[in-house]
Amino acid sequence: DQQVKQNSPSLSVQEGRISILNCDYTNSMFDYFLWYKKYPAEGPTFLISISSIKDKNEDGRFTVFLNKSAKHLSLHIVPSQPGDSAVYFCAAEGTSYGKLTFGQGTILTVHP
Amino acid sequence: NAGVTQTPKFQVLKTGQSMTLQCAQDMNHEYMSWYRQDPGMGLRLIHYSVGAGITDQGEVPNGYNVSRSTTEDFPLRLLSAAPSQTSVYFCASSYSIGSSYEQYFGPGTRLTVT
Repeated sequence: DQQVKQNSPSLSVQEGRISILNCDYTNSMFDYFLWYKKYPAEGPTFLISISSIKDKNEDGRFTVFLNKSAKHLSLHIVPSQPGDSAVYFCAAEGTSYGKLTFGQGTILTVHP
Repeated sequence: NAGVTQTPKFQVLKTGQSMTLQCAQDMNHEYMSWYRQDPGMGLRLIHYSVGAGITDQGEVPNGYNVSRSTTEDFPLRLLSAAPSQTSVYFCASSYSIGSSYEQYFGPGTRLTVT
């Protein structure tokens, strides 16, 4: 049972436009959500996170939105840059600290 | 700091062979964990450790053993490799356990079991 789902395997956007990556979860015990970015042949790197007591967190070009009633979060990248091309994973943490549940990942391609 | 290092980068095993994937970190992190990444599955937690001498199971522990004799090292042992263990393995560490502590990932080990 996939508790964290990223239903779009891939997303293609033009440089300068907005990229929106989506993530849905089913477990209402999740209380912290993270986005990781992964380049080929490298490990994931932390990008941005949000606590369940907030509905928005912003860091430069990256903003994460959380809709708890819909059990949905999204990552907005504005403006998108070719260097943002990578696989993006959303992850959730619940009652077991440090134990992350990951989504399947979305491949983002930003075209110059 | 080298961060989190993993060896080897690539490995091919025959069914039934055993091997150890090495993971080391030089950040004096207490929390370390192992994940596997499979197509369409994201990353899944295999085992984790909250400090030297303490380990626990994650989501998919079967077929794997771990030990944590030092803060720096957290090896993952495959006792009898099976084709279902073909995957990319990532080791991660963080200063402490809890959502406010960023997890740092190693570059991964790509394992193929034939």
